[in-house]
Amino acid sequence: AAGVIQSPRHLIKEKRETATLKCYPIPRHDTVYWYQQGPGQDPQFLISFYEKMQSDKGSIPDRFSAQQFSDYHSELNMSSLELGDSALYFCASSYLSSPLRDEQFFGPGTRLTVL
Amino acid sequence: GDSVTQMEGPVTLSEEAFLTINCTYTATGYPSLFWYVQYPGEGLQLLLKATKADDKGSNKGFEATYRKETTSFHLEKGSVQVSDSAVYFCALSDKGNRDDKIIFGKGTRLHILP
Repeated sequence: AAGVIQSPRHLIKEKRETATLKCYPIPRHDTVYWYQQGPGQDPQFLISFYEKMQSDKGSIPDRFSAQQFSDYHSELNMSSLELGDSALYFCASSYLSSPLRDEQFFGPGTRLTVL
Repeated sequence: GDSVTQMEGPVTLSEEAFLTINCTYTATGYPSLFWYVQYPGEGLQLLLKATKADDKGSNKGFEATYRKETTSFHLEKGSVQVSDSAVYFCALSDKGNRDDKIIFGKGTRLHILP
């Protein structure tokens, strides 16, 4: 079965650079969530999109922005990178129009290292 | 706001031992409850879930029962294996207006010794 795809899997950037993370949800899923997991930490919700519109916002810095496109894939744009942005970034998708709306399927994550 | 509290690790057990990882939650509504597992170097996998009070989720020998009266969702397994070594996250879905973001506990690292 198709799963959530994230790219790239690993990314190394310098401080103050920008990064773009991509997420391709499971086909027919209409909602995408982004989470950030720092080293040894629990995943923290950043932002979500339902039907290409921002749905909810968590602890996402102003330096970050995200959007969902017409094909439902999503991109997380991160600017002025800081050392503390080094983390594993997960994307998850779900199908809110189904009875299993609360079941999120997670991608493998993108590991971002800021030097 | 909603939150999840789970027992701190690491938890170290011998193979075939009985496992319990405690989890309690605070929520204003009626969330769904989950256990996710993260194997070393991998992403998050849904282990089991329960959507309402007294529901029991089960998978791969793991079980957890949604206890509304004690606001708990403890994870149990009767006989653990070395391959169960991973980090386990208790979580709930915070039902928003349009979507259900997940709130995670801090995670419990489990080591199983052969």
